Amino acid sequence: DAGVTQSPTHLIKTRGQHVTLRCSPISGHKSVSWYQQVLGQGPQFIFQYYEKEERGRGNFPDRFSARQFPNYSSELNVNALLLGDSALYLCASSYERDLGYGYTFGSGTRLTVV
Amino acid sequence: GDSVTQMEGPVTLSEEAFLTINCTYTATGYPSLFWYVQYPGEGLQLLLKATKADDKGSNKGFEATYRKETTSFHLEKGSVQVSDSAVYFCALRVNQGGKLIFGQGTELSVKP
Repeated sequence: DAGVTQSPTHLIKTRGQHVTLRCSPISGHKSVSWYQQVLGQGPQFIFQYYEKEERGRGNFPDRFSARQFPNYSSELNVNALLLGDSALYLCASSYERDLGYGYTFGSGTRLTVV
Repeated sequence: GDSVTQMEGPVTLSEEAFLTINCTYTATGYPSLFWYVQYPGEGLQLLLKATKADDKGSNKGFEATYRKETTSFHLEKGSVQVSDSAVYFCALRVNQGGKLIFGQGTELSVKP
């Protein structure tokens, strides 16, 4: 079975630009979450979506937005990029109904803002 | 609020040494607890989990026991290998559908 897939794997953008990151969850998983991992730190929660509805949002500015599509894939959008947005962006999917079912993470998209 | 605290790294061990990475948590509900591992340049992989007090999670020689009385979930391995070199993250999940809250990570380096 395919795991969580993210695209692109690497991306370089200029300050002020916009970026879209994409994620496909494991088949059967209806929950997708996005995390930002700055170098040397643990991942920080950005968004969670379940059944195309936003279920949670972390402490990130409105420049960050996301959506989930009918096939449960998801996009994370970041506007007006700042140097501090440089990070590894991780997507995770989960079988929503089981609290003990850990999230499965993709390999991430490494975003560099110059 | 809910939080996870891990021992600071880096931790450097010789091959076949015993490993302990401490993890304590603060949570308002009844969390599920997880250890994730991140190898260089890769995403996170679930290593083990425990969903209720006194549960022991285990995988690939690693173990961790959910201790509610001490709010801890320490990771242990009896004999580490060079291939275990990675960053280890302790995490909790409180609500159904809830986010994962991670510790800051502990880097492990195992020398031959």
